[in-house]
Amino acid sequence: DVQMTQSPSYLAASPGESVSISCKASKSINTYLAWYQEKPGKTNKLLIYSGSTLQSGTPSRFSGSGSGTDFTLTIRSLEPEDFAVYYCQQHNEYPLTFGSGTKLEIK
Amino acid sequence: QVKLQQSGAELVKPGASVKLSCKTSGYTFSTSYMSWFKQIPGQSIEWIGMIYAGDGGTGYNQKFKGKATLTVDTSSSTAYMDLSSLTTEDSAVYFCARLLRGLVVMDAWGQGASVTVSS
Repeated sequence: DVQMTQSPSYLAASPGESVSISCKASKSINTYLAWYQEKPGKTNKLLIYSGSTLQSGTPSRFSGSGSGTDFTLTIRSLEPEDFAVYYCQQHNEYPLTFGSGTKLEIK
Repeated sequence: QVKLQQSGAELVKPGASVKLSCKTSGYTFSTSYMSWFKQIPGQSIEWIGMIYAGDGGTGYNQKFKGKATLTVDTSSSTAYMDLSSLTTEDSAVYFCARLLRGLVVMDAWGQGASVTVSS
C-alpha cells in the first residue's frame, strides 16, 4: 500500500496569513493526489484533485502542487472558515490511502 | 443538491453484525460509484471498498475483505454496508461517499455513522 505522510500534524496561523501543508507518498503517485477539508458538523469537502485541479466551488486562495512523491497544499490569505483539518489522499492505485491529517488552528 | 444521508449510531455486541445505510438524493444514483470509509476519531481515514450502483460490482481493500459487504438498492437510491463478526476494533465512524465521475476521489460525503462494539 502507498503510505501517505502529512506534515505538520498541527499548524497555528492567523487570518490573512498564508500556510502550506506537505504530503509525501512512499512511492510515485504521478499527480494523483487529492486534498479534503474536514470541519465539525459538516461533511468532508473535496478541495483539489489530480494534484492541482480545484474542485468546483473551491475558493481560488487554495492551490495544490507537486508530482511524483511530494505534494503541497497552499492556502493564501486565510479566512476564518479555513480553520479545519486537512487530509491528503492518493488516487493513483488501490487501496486508496490517506494522510494522517493536519489540524489548522487559529493563532 | 447532492445529499448522502447515513443511518444513525449503532451500539452492538461483539460477534454481531450491523448494516449501515446511505440514502442518496439529488443525482442519478444508478450510474454512480460509492465508496465506504472507516475513521477512528482522531485518526486517519481508511478506504474499505467501492461499489458501482449500475451492476453492483464491487472492489475491496484487502484489509476489509470478509469484514465488509457492500450492496445497493437502486429503487431507493440507497447504498448499504454490512459489517460482520464485529470486535472492539471495529468501533469507529463509517462514511459513505460518492466518487467524482471518472476519478477515484470523493466529491460528496455522508455525515458519518458511529458504530460502537461493546458487551
